[in-house]
Amino acid sequence: EVQLVESGGGLVQPGGSLILSCAASGFTFSTYPMHWVRQAPGRGLEYVASILGDGSSTSYSNSVRGRFTISRDNSKNTLYLQMGSLRGEDTALYYCTRDLSSGFSFDYWGQGTLVSVSS
Amino acid sequence: QSALTQPATVSGSPGQSITISCTGTRSDVGGYDCVSWYQQHPGKAPKLMIYDVAKRPSGISDHFSGSKSGNTASLTISGLQTEDEADYYCCSYATGNTYIFGTGTKVTVL
Repeated sequence: EVQLVESGGGLVQPGGSLILSCAASGFTFSTYPMHWVRQAPGRGLEYVASILGDGSSTSYSNSVRGRFTISRDNSKNTLYLQMGSLRGEDTALYYCTRDLSSGFSFDYWGQGTLVSVSS
Repeated sequence: QSALTQPATVSGSPGQSITISCTGTRSDVGGYDCVSWYQQHPGKAPKLMIYDVAKRPSGISDHFSGSKSGNTASLTISGLQTEDEADYYCCSYATGNTYIFGTGTKVTVL
């Protein structure tokens, strides 16, 4: 059974940093691209970042490029999101998602970890 | 990169069919056959319902179907059921190796 379990969320001050983790199990982690998607309270879904299975390529939304870094450790079956220069508008539930093997969609989602940016 | 445009609400009676539209541009919906649809019940993670415009993942009922014409994609729910009441989001791969989600549609079963 595919499982994605996020952790690392919490309350952080504006300008601060946070690292999110996503522990994956039930599939061959290294063969799948992975993504982060977020959802602000009461709002819609927003794409954040992607990384290929071997970690060789990454992509980001315009809203986080230069502030966030996506990475992975295939030996630990874990996906990461390093978040810096955090702003109030980064407050959201952050979901770890797996790429459908045929690409361009998200077939499994974790339950999310909540990041709150406030002073 | 603006969100794809969806109607805020769509409603129907049990057994009816409803269609949710998702309008973008040539740089996203119109440029790639890479539109997916997600169902989200309150307090739950989204669930993939349709990918590559019209394909259903294993286990998804065939009363969900997808299509696309030009810059607009659509999700049709045939034979509406009470458990279909949820929020629905479209998503498209877009130029620049990114993804854009829709604004979301709340489906209400009357």
